Amino acid sequence: DAEITQSPRHKITETGRQVTLACHQTWNHNNMFWYRQDLGHGLRLIHYSYGVQDTNKGEVSDGYSVSRSNTEDLPLTLESAASSQTSVYFCASSSSATNEKLFFGSGTQLSVL
Amino acid sequence: KNQVEQSPQSLIILEGKNCTLQCNYTVSPFSNLRWYKQDTGRGPVSLTIMTFSENTKSNRRYTATLDADTKQSSLHITASQLSDSASYICVVSEDGANSKLTFGKGITLSVRP
Repeated sequence: DAEITQSPRHKITETGRQVTLACHQTWNHNNMFWYRQDLGHGLRLIHYSYGVQDTNKGEVSDGYSVSRSNTEDLPLTLESAASSQTSVYFCASSSSATNEKLFFGSGTQLSVL
Repeated sequence: KNQVEQSPQSLIILEGKNCTLQCNYTVSPFSNLRWYKQDTGRGPVSLTIMTFSENTKSNRRYTATLDADTKQSSLHITASQLSDSASYICVVSEDGANSKLTFGKGITLSVRP
């Protein structure tokens, strides 16, 4: 069965370190997204991609970057981790058709100490 | 600013009872409204997607309604089960090339035996 997987599931790092969270989907979806989820907020969009070599900034993109070198993967990099980036991160994908639902990964709990 | 407001913030019901979750939105122009279920420690899973012309949509014991005139939606859960304990997130999509999604903060439902 097709799926979307994130790794690691849990990560603890120190401020200032570079961290990369992996996202891999086997749906062959063109669209991929990274969100963060914090208490008191709805899911907030960090970056998204509509296809290979396409990347776009979301509403909370500062301090994050992504790259899309193939259809299956959209890694999220925190260039210099900050305590404010402690959060749960979700990757999602969808097909290019309109009104198509998002498929979410199980999330990565990141703690920046 | 586009917003999605959900109420109540949390809800406790007894197993076998029905409940209704509310969602009000100000997103414009409107494309579709989605309800997601998020179990603890997991990513959200799509329950329904409703477009402008759809008033009611059912998925097993979940029935979503949409009133595009008043910009309100509800999710009715019938004969609740312990496995319905989760967060329920309302998401509204803008009409347009980017189909921007606005997420509600979610409603935490606890079903007690």
